[in-house]
Amino acid sequence: GAGVSQSPSNKVTEKGKDVELRCDPISGHTALYWYRQSLGQGLEFLIYFQGNSAPDKSGLPSDRFSAERTGGSVSTLTIQRTQQEDSAVYLCASSAGQGRFLDTEAFFGQGTRLTVV
Amino acid sequence: GENVEQHPSTLSVQEGDSAVIKCTYSDSASNYFPWYKQELGKGPQLIIDIRSNVGEKKDQRIAVTLNKTAKHFSLHITETQPEDSAVYFCAPINQAGTALIFGKGTTLSVSS
Repeated sequence: GAGVSQSPSNKVTEKGKDVELRCDPISGHTALYWYRQSLGQGLEFLIYFQGNSAPDKSGLPSDRFSAERTGGSVSTLTIQRTQQEDSAVYLCASSAGQGRFLDTEAFFGQGTRLTVV
Repeated sequence: GENVEQHPSTLSVQEGDSAVIKCTYSDSASNYFPWYKQELGKGPQLIIDIRSNVGEKKDQRIAVTLNKTAKHFSLHITETQPEDSAVYFCAPINQAGTALIFGKGTTLSVSS
């Protein structure tokens, strides 16, 4: 596609429910990131995928958060037993950067706004 | 881990003035220093970046300067226009090279 696509654009869920957020990166991009942005705050790194390498999960805030990337393309971020503090905009980005040092442009999607009520 | 601070948090200028935003980072191993612009309801977009082997880079009205010794880099916007109004983030890369570590952002308002 033309850019990074995220779905849904908005999600309202009840506390305690599980949610899945989807990211379609730019075709051919091997690197994929998930970030979380709370209201008026900067972006908090969650997880990084690069090709077939083991992901960098160091930013995941708790074991309720997990992510997978199937076939080196589409990624799903799953939040189990959602809490109100999980409410935020979840942003996905992809990049053509190769190898360990990622220093090429990261293209962001428009995000999924998650509201836990 | 990398500690990133941006100043100021808000900046208001008149159209045509210059704007400067400074970013301080802690990891001396960082070697890539981008600036992103985020408009309301959109994801951040890269506007300029610099690598550690140069001290300055310009692209029309936008420039970035890097001081590796002092561990800071700055965004300079000249001849500001109302469409420059947005939130700007610095995002130096972490030591492992696996993530951009974002500052808390600077809200720039350009009034005409």
